[in-house]
Amino acid sequence: DAGITQSPRYKITETGRQVTLMCHQTWSHSYMFWYRQDLGHGLRLIYYSAAADITDKGEVPDGYVVSRSKTENFPLTLESATRSQTSVYFCASRTRDNSYEQYFGPGTRLTVT
Amino acid sequence: EDQVTQSPEALRLQEGESSSLNCSYTVSGLRGLFWYRQDPGKGPEFLFTLYSAGEEKEKERLKATLTKKESFLHITAPKPEDSATYLCAVQVSSNTGKLIFGQGTTLQVKP
Repeated sequence: DAGITQSPRYKITETGRQVTLMCHQTWSHSYMFWYRQDLGHGLRLIYYSAAADITDKGEVPDGYVVSRSKTENFPLTLESATRSQTSVYFCASRTRDNSYEQYFGPGTRLTVT
Repeated sequence: EDQVTQSPEALRLQEGESSSLNCSYTVSGLRGLFWYRQDPGKGPEFLFTLYSAGEEKEKERLKATLTKKESFLHITAPKPEDSATYLCAVQVSSNTGKLIFGQGTTLQVKP
């Protein structure tokens, strides 16, 4: 099915481990985004990418790494997970035109123990 | 600092009882204001984009309006299936497409 998918949908990991969250979109959208959603903070931007091989930091990038070798994929890696990174992570994408609306994936619920 | 504030945080309505949700913003330059609906355990679902003061958009029982300082999401004769969290976001003057989100209003419509 066309759209934006995330995997895994649920993940439990231990403090200090590396974990990668995957995001895949079939629309060929230029822009992709990673957000985290926490009670009391709403949605906060972690990283975004304007095109393959172009990425930039958002509001809360510390402890995260991204890459974008292909237009359709935008993985987010937690290099050494901490409890404060327990959250729900959403990937989003949008076209390059001036409409600006972003379309979101179903989310990954990550728990760091 | 760019900021988006939504009120109320939570709203309980009886089925058929119309009301409005508020999104006020303080930004350096507005390129667009977006409304999303989010159901529990799901990603935000795009509803509307508003670009300039005076603009209105409608979809079923929802109507979004925009002024220079705030936006309203009016819900007319809501049904229980309208229960969700409604998020407001703004796109500031930038080519990056970054959105700044409010914290949302959780709406519960009782039958």
